[in-house]
Amino acid sequence: DTGVSQNPRHKITKRGQNVTFRCDPISEHNRLYWYRQTLGQGPEFLTYFQNEAQLEKSRLLSDRFSAERPKGSFSTLEIQRTEQGDSAMYLCASSHPRVDQDTQYFGPGTRLTVL
Amino acid sequence: DAKTTQPNSMESNEEEPVHLPCNHSTISGTDYIHWYRQLPSQGPEYVIHGLTSNVNNRMASLAIAEDRKSSTLILHRATLRDAAVYYCILRENTGTASKLTFGTGTRLQVTL
Repeated sequence: DTGVSQNPRHKITKRGQNVTFRCDPISEHNRLYWYRQTLGQGPEFLTYFQNEAQLEKSRLLSDRFSAERPKGSFSTLEIQRTEQGDSAMYLCASSHPRVDQDTQYFGPGTRLTVL
Repeated sequence: DAKTTQPNSMESNEEEPVHLPCNHSTISGTDYIHWYRQLPSQGPEYVIHGLTSNVNNRMASLAIAEDRKSSTLILHRATLRDAAVYYCILRENTGTASKLTFGTGTRLQVTL
């Protein structure tokens, strides 16, 4: 039984570069969530998918951010023209409404550092 | 979103029970009480959740006040591995997916 996996675990990039993160949810889960966590704060919701449909986006998700889940399985989060303020831990979670009352299970996160 | 209030930090000695409080005076009838914890450099880990009745699992117990305006996460015997930030979160159970709204949580320190 594998949990939620995220790749890469760490990413260092220069300001202005584009980065892409991947999340593989628990296999039977049809809901997938992205969160962002900065130092000393709790995670903040960014967006979520049900199957391949992106159903909610936070105002935190500026137009430089885009998320996809093309086949309803894995998801990618892309940040274009990165800024130093994008430095954070990006967390992915997944759930299913008929599994554990839709409890969300998190991956280990991708830590992004923008120089 | 309904909000929760937790102490910023707590300390415990190893092998002793720990009671982590959470106030949620504006809880609605459809809100479940969820607890997650986050160890250093890891993603949040699900601990337990409940609606009205007290709940037990292998990790912890959740005691919910009769008026549901507060709850307590109980770790029966704290170990050094329980040192983490513990988040108390209210989540609507409406049948549709809902985001988790994290606060700043309680940082639990466990000492020998």
